[in-house]
Amino acid sequence: AAGVIQSPRHLIKEKRETATLKCYPIPRHDTVYWYQQGPGQDPQFLISFYEKMQSDKGSIPDRFSAQQFSDYHSELNMSSLELGDSALYFCASSLGRLVGETQYFGPGTRLLVL
Amino acid sequence: SQQGEEDPQALSIQEGENATMNCSYKTSINNLQWYRQNSGRGLVHLILIRSNEREKHSGRLRVTLDTSKKSSSLLITASRAADTASYFCATASYTGGFKTIFGAGTRLFVKA
Repeated sequence: AAGVIQSPRHLIKEKRETATLKCYPIPRHDTVYWYQQGPGQDPQFLISFYEKMQSDKGSIPDRFSAQQFSDYHSELNMSSLELGDSALYFCASSLGRLVGETQYFGPGTRLLVL
Repeated sequence: SQQGEEDPQALSIQEGENATMNCSYKTSINNLQWYRQNSGRGLVHLILIRSNEREKHSGRLRVTLDTSKKSSSLLITASRAADTASYFCATASYTGGFKTIFGAGTRLFVKA
């Protein structure tokens, strides 16, 4: 069965650069979530989208922005990167508007900021 | 502090033994989910238990939920070396949108 696809899988950037992470949800899933997981940390919710509209916002820095497109894929744009942004970024998708329906996670994008 | 807090933080057992991990949370929830994560990899959904359910089984997994104590437990029976991973509980609450909050996770080591 198709899973959540994230690209790139690995990314190395320098401080103050920008990065764009992409997420392709499971077909027919209309809700996308972004999480950040630092080394040895639990996943922190960043932002979610339902039907191309921002649904909820967590601890996403102002330097980051995200959107969901008409084909339901989502992109997380990160600007003015800082060393502390080095983390694993997960995207998850779910179907429907019900709160807390099972989220299916992608393999993550590992971002390293030098 | 985290919505979901888990204990123990680390657990080391022998293959064949049972492993129990606990999760506590602070606010009311719609449901609670358990995930598994192998080192540096994605999160794999294990089981979802809704706020009106008290117990759920899936294979060797048994999850309980006590909403009065705001706690849940995950029991893995007859553990295998392949069960070695981090296990997270995640609570889903309505906050005007869709948000799932993860706990700190329990690192389980199953020795062969």
